[in-house]
Amino acid sequence: GAVVSQHPSWVICKSGTSVKIECRSLDFQATTMFWYRQFPKQSLMLMATSNEGSKATYEQGVEKDKFLINHASLTLSTLTVTSAHPEDSSFYICSAPRTGTSARSYNEQFFGPGTRLTVL
Amino acid sequence: GENVEQHPSTLSVQEGDSAVIKCTYSDSASNYFPWYKQELGKGPQLIIDIRSNVGEKKDQRIAVTLNKTAKHFSLHITETQPEDSAVYFCAASLARQLTFGSGTQLTVLP
Repeated sequence: GAVVSQHPSWVICKSGTSVKIECRSLDFQATTMFWYRQFPKQSLMLMATSNEGSKATYEQGVEKDKFLINHASLTLSTLTVTSAHPEDSSFYICSAPRTGTSARSYNEQFFGPGTRLTVL
Repeated sequence: GENVEQHPSTLSVQEGDSAVIKCTYSDSASNYFPWYKQELGKGPQLIIDIRSNVGEKKDQRIAVTLNKTAKHFSLHITETQPEDSAVYFCAASLARQLTFGSGTQLTVLP
């Protein structure tokens, strides 16, 4: 199966600082990547869709100026949490679909291992 | 938008017994239904999926069934083992975007 990596796997930062999380597709190209946030004992909530070559699209309620997304290449998307606060502490997970070859693309998504962000 | 409901939220079974997790979805246009297993501190791992043109799919001890008319799909795990203990999520997808269920904590008791 395809592999998606994330870096770092965990990060602890002080309130008010910015943190960058990288998501890479290692053996396939991804024109689209998704960023999710998961709080303890909860489900994955989609934050935004990262599109190579264009602006990210954000889900309702997600501040685009706080969660900056840059899809730098066909294998890399970054999420920057700006001016992080304790309430931003969460598990951030990215995923990338690999486009199917059929006309109706049933896109299997591959998830990264996640990044645990703790803001003190 | 799509809404996915998942039941039960917790499930305990004895080793060797079967486990069944059920999900319903709201958008009849959804056409891809994956199931993920998530272990503590890790990202979700795809364990099986089913597409809207198929009613049932099996992979060794794991099977998924889909009823498009009723808009529900289920995960069946047979001969459960302690290593099956994890959180399981169902999801429904249309045009690449996944909507997840709330998750089921499965505990397999030895």
